Amino acid sequence: SQKIEQNSEALNIQEGKTATLTCNYTNYSPAYLQWYRQDPGRGPVFLLLIRENEKEKRKERLKVTFDTTLKQSLFHITASQPADSATYLCALWYSSASKIIFGSGTRLSIRP
Amino acid sequence: GAGVSQSPRYKVAKRGQDVALRCDPISGHVSLFWYQQALGQGPEFLTYFQNEAQLDKSGLPSDRFFAERPEGSVSTLKIQRTQQEDSAVYLCASSLRTSGGGTGELFFGEGSRLTVL
Repeated sequence: SQKIEQNSEALNIQEGKTATLTCNYTNYSPAYLQWYRQDPGRGPVFLLLIRENEKEKRKERLKVTFDTTLKQSLFHITASQPADSATYLCALWYSSASKIIFGSGTRLSIRP
Repeated sequence: GAGVSQSPRYKVAKRGQDVALRCDPISGHVSLFWYQQALGQGPEFLTYFQNEAQLDKSGLPSDRFFAERPEGSVSTLKIQRTQQEDSAVYLCASSLRTSGGGTGELFFGEGSRLTVL
């Protein structure tokens, strides 16, 4: 079965630095890969989507890369701020399926 | 409403009780998903509806779990004879597009936290 692995350890970053989160998957590549943010006690919120034929996608301070050879996506937050502290989830969708599969998430803390 | 609404936000049940969790998706959204999220884990897929049709229920953990969306709008997740391992946050998400995800972002509710004693 398909497995998704995200940084299991929490990530602590100094404010102003770039935070990089990793999402690795096994088996075949998804058609789309999405990143969500989740704050404690809240539902996930969509951030970015990248297609399998795209290498990179940007939105403001966010950047996502997708390497189907390495079976990996990287999520970058540049000029990080304490308000960026949250859990970030990677999610995969396969065209043959009707469901989106989520990773376990990485907890990011930005210290002032 | 403006977003996905779930109720109740918190539910405490005694082991063996039946519970019903409600989800009001964004108006006009075709796709509706239920996920189960344990503490410190990512959301685990339970079931998917396209309008009133339940197209995928492969994630339902047992036959004690049942979901419906009779008119293609509001959905209810029912858990019969609750067990302690059912304790989790149950998230509902809707999407404008058919076949669930892909280019369609999921809009999540705040979740229903179920605690089974």
